[in-house]
Amino acid sequence: SYDLTQPPSVSVSPGQTASITCSGDKLGNRYAFWYQQKPGQSPVLVMYQDTRRPSGIPERFSGSNTGNTATLTISGTQAMDEADYYCQAWDTTSVVFGGGTKLTVL
Amino acid sequence: EVQLVESGGGLVQPGGSLRLSCAASGFTFNNYAMSWVRQAPGKGLEWVSLVSGSGGGTTYADSVKGRFTISRDNSKNALYLRMNTLRVEDAAVYYCAKTQRSGSSTWFDNWGQGTLVTVSS
Repeated sequence: SYDLTQPPSVSVSPGQTASITCSGDKLGNRYAFWYQQKPGQSPVLVMYQDTRRPSGIPERFSGSNTGNTATLTISGTQAMDEADYYCQAWDTTSVVFGGGTKLTVL
Repeated sequence: EVQLVESGGGLVQPGGSLRLSCAASGFTFNNYAMSWVRQAPGKGLEWVSLVSGSGGGTTYADSVKGRFTISRDNSKNALYLRMNTLRVEDAAVYYCAKTQRSGSSTWFDNWGQGTLVTVSS
């Protein structure tokens, strides 16, 4: 089975840039997707097909995917960005999620 | 506006059965695949199952294969998940998700609010 690995936690100061990574074997050869989940809420898609932002997602969110690592970058991080973030990919016949990264803005 | 409303969760004993439902609105339901994704308390997201727009194609996570059945009724804009032989480890919030498929990729662009399934004696 295909595995995606994320750091359990990332901390960032308000206004700084946060980078959340997602690693998988040759991940750059497939698309990566990212979801944001705030406490008590359902997940929200924030990035699809590596670099594309859904309507309504702020421009400060950007993505990349090369080699074995996909990265979600949040520029000018705001307190409202504090949440769990999950990466996701498709593997042959199944969906795979990373374990999630808790982003703390402090 | 896309709306997905799950129902049917509750408390069930190990070995029991439950059927979840998801009522969809705000989009042309039969044009989209649909999926179930679950999240155990305090844990991450786990994909459970996917059904094609027509209902003719399904796929399952290994953890539920043979026990769960996904289906849909396009005349009612409804998605279902029949869960049999439930285990303690199946306890989770179950989300219904509108599913996008393009080439070799699949992702979820809208999620419901979830329904809680508790498996305990």
